[in-house]
Amino acid sequence: AQRVTQPEKLLSVFKGAPVELKCNYSYSGSPELFWYVQYSRQRLQLLLRHISRESIKGFTADLNKGETSFHLKKPFAQEEDSAMYYCAPSCSNDYKLSFGAGTTVTVRA
Amino acid sequence: GAVVSQHPSRVICKSGTSVKIECRSLDFQATTMFWYRQFPKQSLMLMATSNEGSKATYEQGVEKDKFLINHASLTLSTLTVTSAHPEDSSFYICSARWRGTYEQYFGPGTRLTVT
Repeated sequence: AQRVTQPEKLLSVFKGAPVELKCNYSYSGSPELFWYVQYSRQRLQLLLRHISRESIKGFTADLNKGETSFHLKKPFAQEEDSAMYYCAPSCSNDYKLSFGAGTTVTVRA
Repeated sequence: GAVVSQHPSRVICKSGTSVKIECRSLDFQATTMFWYRQFPKQSLMLMATSNEGSKATYEQGVEKDKFLINHASLTLSTLTVTSAHPEDSSFYICSARWRGTYEQYFGPGTRLTVT
């Protein structure tokens, strides 16, 4: 069965500190991997996707196929990074996203 | 670009009535639209996938007669909650993608309250 695990429900860090959000997936085949973010009172939006290998707002995510992980990292968290983050794999043949439970990040001044 | 709208943003209806939620892609043609349900402080749960001109595909456990989905054009999909009950109260979110892309663009959501 396809499964996405985000083990941390809540993550609190100080401004300027590194932040890492964990994501492990269990999928058949080779899914495409995404991180979506939802800021307070805003709609869900794409943060980054593995296939593009971009760094968005200072965030990067490394795919480890051996560990089936796609952890999201930022070396220096900012207050505006406070949001809910979802890891979301997608199968290539149906384009459906499976959302993890989400991690709420709070960055304190 | 890639804006998805939903209407209404909030609706209150009485138990037993039906309510329709619209999802529109404003500046692109949406090959596929998805409908999600989100409970408070929980993740998004995919309800169904809607391809233009064909019947929607429902996820396991989602009643297709309860949640009617129509994707009549490349820019519009509708979700009708029929004979609504208080347990149908939730936040309903749609998303859309166009051909050849994985990315989904999300609407702002519709808060449904059934009294």
